[in-house]
Amino acid sequence: AQTVTQSQPEMSVQEAETVTLSCTYDTSENNYYLFWYKQPPSRQMILVIRQEAYKQQNATENRFSVNFQKAAKSFSLKISDSQLGDTAMYFCAFMSSNTGNQFYFGTGTSLTVIP
Amino acid sequence: DGGITQSPKYLFRKEGQNVTLSCEQNLNHDAMYWYRQDPGQGLRLIYYSQIVNDFQKGDIAEGYSVSREKKESFPLTVTSAQKNPTAFYLCASSIVLGETQYFGPGTRLLVL
Repeated sequence: AQTVTQSQPEMSVQEAETVTLSCTYDTSENNYYLFWYKQPPSRQMILVIRQEAYKQQNATENRFSVNFQKAAKSFSLKISDSQLGDTAMYFCAFMSSNTGNQFYFGTGTSLTVIP
Repeated sequence: DGGITQSPKYLFRKEGQNVTLSCEQNLNHDAMYWYRQDPGQGLRLIYYSQIVNDFQKGDIAEGYSVSREKKESFPLTVTSAQKNPTAFYLCASSIVLGETQYFGPGTRLLVL
């Protein structure tokens, strides 16, 4: 079974600074996808970034980038120039290419951006 | 605007009552999903549907039922057999099974 671990329940960062959220996962599969979702106080889950395991290049979306280390099974999210609107719960998720019916989610990291 | 809508935003259930949560999408997605979120936990899959008139159980299907009569709609019924239904329920859809999932705004279910 796949497991996703987020070891930082809560984090904070000063506005305009950079923060990195950690995620590790456990799988025996070689083909899979990894995601970071953001859940603001409105509770709506919003896709932040997606990484295909077969791609060596780290995904980037504006101020959001990942550090994908396949051998270490690590998938951290870096948020640059943090903004107040980045305050939210962040969930890491794993999806197998073989059984794409299910996402496996971590327990989340609550990020607070301090003005 | 394309998107996923869920209604109601808040729902109250009395003991022994069945309640139905609505999920509609106009993204022309084939696959749809229902998740449950409890405090301090990630999302857990209840049911998913790959295509119209087809659906499969997820990890925590007991006490829930679904239907998929239309591509756009995937309602979830919380039955009286679900003994601990208080949670936040999220619906999602993807173009096809195995693609990126996009989420609705959620429904919070409370037991009176």
